[in-house]
Amino acid sequence: KTQVEQSPQSLVVRQGENCVLQCNYSVTPDNHLRWFKQDTGKGLVSLTVLVDQKDKTSNGRYSATLDKDAKHSTLHITATLLDDTATYICVVGDRGSALGRLHFGAGTQLIVIP
Amino acid sequence: DMKVTQMPRYLIKRMGENVLLECGQDMSHETMYWYRQDPGLGLQLIYISYDVDSNSEGDIPKGYRVSRKKREHFSLILDSAKTNQTSVYFCASSLDNERLFFGHGTKLSVL
Repeated sequence: KTQVEQSPQSLVVRQGENCVLQCNYSVTPDNHLRWFKQDTGKGLVSLTVLVDQKDKTSNGRYSATLDKDAKHSTLHITATLLDDTATYICVVGDRGSALGRLHFGAGTQLIVIP
Repeated sequence: DMKVTQMPRYLIKRMGENVLLECGQDMSHETMYWYRQDPGLGLQLIYISYDVDSNSEGDIPKGYRVSRKKREHFSLILDSAKTNQTSVYFCASSLDNERLFFGHGTKLSVL
């Protein structure tokens, strides 16, 4: 059973618009949550990591929230650019060490059009 | 520049052939991983290595084996490849929660 669900599956926005990606999970324990960006044919690049029970992070035009009580995270992208076209993957880690496992969502495919 | 390098980037093999996927990292990370990525699914863990000759099975180890003889190199081996092993394979290395790096992936087609 999938333990990390991302929505929407795909999303098309116009350049300059804002968008919100959702991640719901059932992983227990949930030590941390990370958002990755994956360009087509490339590896995953970490955007941000959230750790606290109710956490917020900001990295340029990317901002993210985590609510461990609701087991829910959001990734906000402000003023999208064409280069934001990619798949965004939510990953939940069940421990803070290498002994833990990472649980991957299937990703949200974002397409930014002119 | 910190990076994880995978070779080759693309590979086509016939069913039954042996496959060697190689991964290197220049960050002296102890922990390295092999994942596969299939359409519509999240990355699935094949093997994890905690250091030289300290490897553990992941969630889908059947049909695969690994080798880690040097900290900077982690190899994935498919003995007698099967068509259902067609996938994109990713190697990653990690120091801790904050630092996790992925390679660009190897696209393997087994015909």
